[in-house]
Amino acid sequence: DAGITQSPRHKVTETGTPVTLRCHQTENHRYMYWYRQDPGHGLRLIHYSYGVKDTDKGEVSDGYSVSRSKTEDFLLTLESATSSQTSVYFCAISDLGTFSYEQYFGPGTRLTVT
Amino acid sequence: AQTVTQSQPEMSVQEAETVTLSCTYDTSESDYYLFWYKQPPSRQMILVIRQEAYKQQNATENRFSVNFQKAAKSFSLKISDSQLGDAAMYFCAYQDNAGNMLTFGGGTRLMVKP
Repeated sequence: DAGITQSPRHKVTETGTPVTLRCHQTENHRYMYWYRQDPGHGLRLIHYSYGVKDTDKGEVSDGYSVSRSKTEDFLLTLESATSSQTSVYFCAISDLGTFSYEQYFGPGTRLTVT
Repeated sequence: AQTVTQSQPEMSVQEAETVTLSCTYDTSESDYYLFWYKQPPSRQMILVIRQEAYKQQNATENRFSVNFQKAAKSFSLKISDSQLGDAAMYFCAYQDNAGNMLTFGGGTRLMVKP
């Protein structure tokens, strides 16, 4: 299994509070991603990073920011959490394999915004 | 933008029998990658099989194989000799040649009956 951890694994927070989720990898992969999973939508990309301090927006980036100051860590921040951000959040990593940039996923963080 | 459609929200199969999960996608690209991921109740996203669009030969991984029809933009997953441990959500995913993000279908829940 790829060495990817996410913290916290579960979090309940109130509307309007800031929340930071952490993804940590031990694989030295260049690319890191944050997805959210909601019923009926599969996983949707929030932000991704292609190197230290290099990030870009994904499909559903509104209300989220990210930072990557080290290769191994990718942080996702909800500046002011809303109920619509209740979801399961997955981090993924990738690098050029034999044929493609296969992505490997962390265990997920369940976030509930009340 | 690419879209991925899984038209079967739920499927069931008898243990030891074969089941096929459907996936269609829309893209204007000629080079891309396709994946099937399995998500058991543990929530972990597990890569099952991948297919490179430039390869005509269908990918196989033990009991898992795909039927890749590039012209029809179809990418189905066949599970042979189904086992109880195959019960899970299955997601089809598309990745463009740049490899920056995955676009997921909405998922198919597979139930395996003993």
